[in-house]
Amino acid sequence: QVQLQQWGAGLLKPSETLSLSCVVNGGSFNEYYWSWIRQPPGKGLEWIGEINHSGTTNYNPTLKSRVTISVDTSKNQFSLSLRSVTAADTAVYYCARGRYSDWFLGRRPFDYWGQGTLLIVSS
Amino acid sequence: EIVLTQSPGTLSLSPGERVTLSCRASQSVRSNYLAWYQQKLGQTPRLLIYDASSRATGIPDRISGSGSGTDFILTISRLEPEDFAVYYCQQYGSSPWTFGQGTKVEIK
Repeated sequence: QVQLQQWGAGLLKPSETLSLSCVVNGGSFNEYYWSWIRQPPGKGLEWIGEINHSGTTNYNPTLKSRVTISVDTSKNQFSLSLRSVTAADTAVYYCARGRYSDWFLGRRPFDYWGQGTLLIVSS
Repeated sequence: EIVLTQSPGTLSLSPGERVTLSCRASQSVRSNYLAWYQQKLGQTPRLLIYDASSRATGIPDRISGSGSGTDFILTISRLEPEDFAVYYCQQYGSSPWTFGQGTKVEIK
């Protein structure tokens, strides 16, 4: 059984940096890309970016300039850094398992999700 | 970027009714890499359907997906009380992976 457990600060001031981490228990960490997804209160879902075990990243162009996703394969863990947050970044942030790391295996949806972390940006 | 438009925004239905949700893509979804998720208030999204028509593990057969190219449908043949929720479609054929804005299925 695959479980994703995430943690990080939930209250930031404008211009600060969001840091979240997600550890994966169970399954094969190296076989997949691992994503961050967010959801503003009462709104829909937005994909932020992804990383695989080799550190290959892929970001949503709308956030790319402010986002860094990193990986620590020794801990089956990956992390999100979002710089210069504003009130518009207030949202629940989720980590999730996505597509296969090897392109020839085809694509996959997000099948396992972390529990979510609410970020509030307020002065 | 592929924009997914879901309709309708909200459906008010009674248990036992049949429901059909629509998801239209701004361009063809590669290999029909289209998923549907269910999200209840305060909960994490749950994968229902992937590859447009394949049920995820543990999803009952009253829930089905169909469609191809730019037009996709999620059907629930008979609504159960636990089916009242928000449903999102998502494409994973072309990066950036994108979601529809959601359809809320509420109790009439």
